[in-house]
Amino acid sequence: RKEVEQDPGPFNVPEGATVAFNCTYSNSASQSFFWYRQDCRKEPKLLMSVYSSGNEDGRFTAQLNRASQYISLLIRDSKLSDSATYLCVVNSILTGGGNKLTFGTGTQLKVEL
Amino acid sequence: GAVVSQHPSWVICKSGTSVKIECRSLDFQATTMFWYRQFPKQSLMLMATSNEGSKATYEQGVEKDKFLINHASLTLSTLTVTSAHPEDSSFYICSARPLRGAPTNYGYTFGSGTRLTVV
Repeated sequence: RKEVEQDPGPFNVPEGATVAFNCTYSNSASQSFFWYRQDCRKEPKLLMSVYSSGNEDGRFTAQLNRASQYISLLIRDSKLSDSATYLCVVNSILTGGGNKLTFGTGTQLKVEL
Repeated sequence: GAVVSQHPSWVICKSGTSVKIECRSLDFQATTMFWYRQFPKQSLMLMATSNEGSKATYEQGVEKDKFLINHASLTLSTLTVTSAHPEDSSFYICSARPLRGAPTNYGYTFGSGTRLTVV
C-alpha cells in the first residue's frame, strides 16, 4: 500500500463547478498535512496546510480526519486557472528526529469552458 | 520571502558525463535541504536529505556514490549526478524549510526544478 494515495484523475469539470479531491495516508504517526499545486513541468507550490478543524482559503476548503487517515480538498466555483495537478503531502517525524515529506502521485484537474 | 533558487533550469548532457545542480536559499538559512526526483506522471520521490556541515542521508535505493550531495553552507546545497545515463533523465527538485525550528505545519519551499536529459 502506498504511504499516500490519491485518485490520479483526470477530473474534467466545467468552469464554475465544485470539485472535491480525496487522499488517504497510511502512517498514523503523521504530523502535518498539506495540499500542493503543481503545474505542468513546474515545481510544486504550497496551496494550503490542512488542520483537523478544517480550514478555508477563499474558494478552497481542506479537511482532515485523523481517525480515518483521510484528507480532502474542495474547490468551489472552479476557474480555468485552477487546472493543475493537486498533490496531497504528508509530513512525518522520523525516529531519531528530522522530518520527511511524502507525496501522493497527484490528482489532475482540468477545468473547461 | 522564503525563496529557493535552483540552477540550471534544464540541462542536456551526454551519457557518462557529470552534472551539478545548485540549490540556494536566497533570504533565509537552511540547515536542511531536500532533494527529490520526479519521473513523468509519477510523484516526487525523496532522494536524500542534505544537512549543512555533515553527510547527507540517502533514501533506500538511492546510490550515494552516484548522487553526490554537498551542503557546505547554510544557503547552498549541490547535487552532482555522476556518470549520468539516460535512465537518470528526470526532473530534480530541491526544497528547504524556511525557518529553523518552524512548526511542523509550516510548508516547505521548492526550487524551480532542473530538467535533466541524458542522451
